[in-house]
Amino acid sequence: GENVEQHPSTLSVQEGDSAVIKCTYSDSASNYFPWYKQELGKRPQLIIDIRSNVGEKKDQRIAVTLNKTAKHFSLHITETQPEDSAVYFCAATRTSYDKVIFGPGTSLSVIP
Amino acid sequence: DTGVSQDPRHKITKRGQNVTFRCDPISEHNRLYWYRQTLGQGPEFLTYFQNEAQLEKSRLLSDRFSAERPKGSFSTLEIQRTEQGDSAMYLCASSGGGKGEKLFFGSGTQLSVL
Repeated sequence: GENVEQHPSTLSVQEGDSAVIKCTYSDSASNYFPWYKQELGKRPQLIIDIRSNVGEKKDQRIAVTLNKTAKHFSLHITETQPEDSAVYFCAATRTSYDKVIFGPGTSLSVIP
Repeated sequence: DTGVSQDPRHKITKRGQNVTFRCDPISEHNRLYWYRQTLGQGPEFLTYFQNEAQLEKSRLLSDRFSAERPKGSFSTLEIQRTEQGDSAMYLCASSGGGKGEKLFFGSGTQLSVL
């Protein structure tokens, strides 16, 4: 069945440093890869996404890269700030009509 | 856009009882998803609907779980004969309406089975 793995499970960085979270997926038919951020006690919210026809996408301090051949995708956060502290989930799906499978999450702590 | 709403926010029940949760998606969204989340884990897919049609149910899901979306609007998730292992946050999400695949989550229903 479909599976999304995510590493590391916890990540602690100093404020201003970069953070990288990596995911792998098993379903080679996956074409859409969103990233969700969940702050403590709140609902997950989409922060960035990437489609299979694009290798990289950037939005201010966050960027995602995708390697379809290796079935890997990554989230990069630069110049981290304390408000970036949260749990981040990667996910994969085939199309907008398919189920979305989430990774187990990465708990990011940004130390002031 | 009033957001996805779920009811109740919290449910405490005794083992063996049946519980039902409700989800009201964003009105123009035609897809509705149910997920289960336990502490320290990612949302686990349970089932999803396209309008009123249930397109897929997780193979890991017990027959005690059933979901409906009778008119393609709100959805209910019922758990029969609850077990302590059912304790979790049950999240509903919706998508569609020109927003593509982006999932909009509700606040969830926290179930505690005693």
